[in-house]
Amino acid sequence: AQKITQTQPGMFVQEKEAVTLDCTYDTSDQSYGLFWYKQPSSGEMIFLIYQGSYDEQNATEGRYSLNFQKARKSANLVISASQLGDSAMYFCAMSLAGGTSYGKLTFGQGTILTVHP
Amino acid sequence: NAGVTQTPKFQVLKTGQSMTLQCAQDMNHEYMSWYRQDPGMGLRLIHYSVGAGITDQGEVPNGYNVSRSTTEDFPLRLLSAAPSQTSVYFCASRPGSLGGEQYFGPGTRLTVT
Repeated sequence: AQKITQTQPGMFVQEKEAVTLDCTYDTSDQSYGLFWYKQPSSGEMIFLIYQGSYDEQNATEGRYSLNFQKARKSANLVISASQLGDSAMYFCAMSLAGGTSYGKLTFGQGTILTVHP
Repeated sequence: NAGVTQTPKFQVLKTGQSMTLQCAQDMNHEYMSWYRQDPGMGLRLIHYSVGAGITDQGEVPNGYNVSRSTTEDFPLRLLSAAPSQTSVYFCASRPGSLGGEQYFGPGTRLTVT
């Protein structure tokens, strides 16, 4: 079974600075996908970024980048130039490839990010 | 495109009552899932479906039933509500490719008294 671990219950960052949110995963499968979602206080789940296990380059989406270290089984989210609106809960998740697995995401416990002005 | 829609947004049930949470998507996605989120925690998979007529259990299926008679709809039935089922329920859909984003509905906040 897959497992996602987010070891930082809460993180603080100053506005305009960069912050890294940690995520490690555990699976014996070779083909999988890693996702980051943002959940603001309003409760909706907002997709941020995706990394495939065979992607050689780290994924980037605007101010978000995913620091993927396959050998260490880590998929950390880096947010550059933090904004006050980045304050939210952040979830790391993974999905295995193939068959029925596409529809199943395993989530970590989440990290609450607070951006200070 | 409305994306993934869920009804109702809020619901209060008494212990032992049954109800159905509705979920629909208009993106022709093959995969649909139900998750629950308890306070301060990540989402846990209840049931999922890989297409019309095909469903399977997730991590926490007890007390819930699902069916998928069409591609668009994936209702979740609570058979006999219990206080432990107080949670926020999210429905999600996803196309049939690993890199495809999983789209979430807005959630249903359920309280069982």
